[in-house]
Amino acid sequence: AQTVTQSQPEMSVQEAETVTLSCTYDTSESDYYLFWYKQPPSRQMILVIRQEAYKQQNATENRFSVNFQKAAKSFSLKISDSQLGDAAMYFCAYVLDSGGSNYKLTFGKGTLLTVNP
Amino acid sequence: GAGVSQSPSNKVTEKGKDVELRCDPISGHTALYWYRQRLGQGLEFLIYFQGNSAPDKSGLPSDRFSAERTGESVSTLTIQRTQQEDSAVYLCASSRDSGNGELFFGEGSRLTVL
Repeated sequence: AQTVTQSQPEMSVQEAETVTLSCTYDTSESDYYLFWYKQPPSRQMILVIRQEAYKQQNATENRFSVNFQKAAKSFSLKISDSQLGDAAMYFCAYVLDSGGSNYKLTFGKGTLLTVNP
Repeated sequence: GAGVSQSPSNKVTEKGKDVELRCDPISGHTALYWYRQRLGQGLEFLIYFQGNSAPDKSGLPSDRFSAERTGESVSTLTIQRTQQEDSAVYLCASSRDSGNGELFFGEGSRLTVL
């Protein structure tokens, strides 16, 4: 079975500091996309960042960046200059890029990030 | 509309009753998804609609669950004879096509079965 593991149920960070959230996944496929989604208390999932597996360059979106290690099947999220609004549940996910299931996202169980003022 | 709209936001029901959850996707999005999120868990795929193609219902946990969508518009998720284990947040999402994972989510419907 294809799985996503987020080994940190909870993390905390001081405002303006940097935090890294871990994610590992398991798939035998070579073509896929990886994602970090954020879920604030409003419950609405919001896409934070996306990485194509065929790209070696790590994706960045402003204060958010990833460390993608394909051989290790690792996909961590780094949040720089943390802000109070970053406090949320963060989910790692992937979807295959080929075959008939290129729409089924597989999610981890999430990491709850607290930002301390 | 501007975003994915779901209703009701919260629903409390008694065990054995039927419930219907509604999702209004972003206009122009051909793909629509339902996910279930149990407390402390990630999202579980339930069903996927893409245009007029046959939906992928492989994630529906039992025959008490069903979903419909007319064309590229509103979808309803129906749970018959609700059980306590059905308590969860039901999230709907839409995307322009299969989306390759770039989904736009609603705020979910929290279902509590007493």
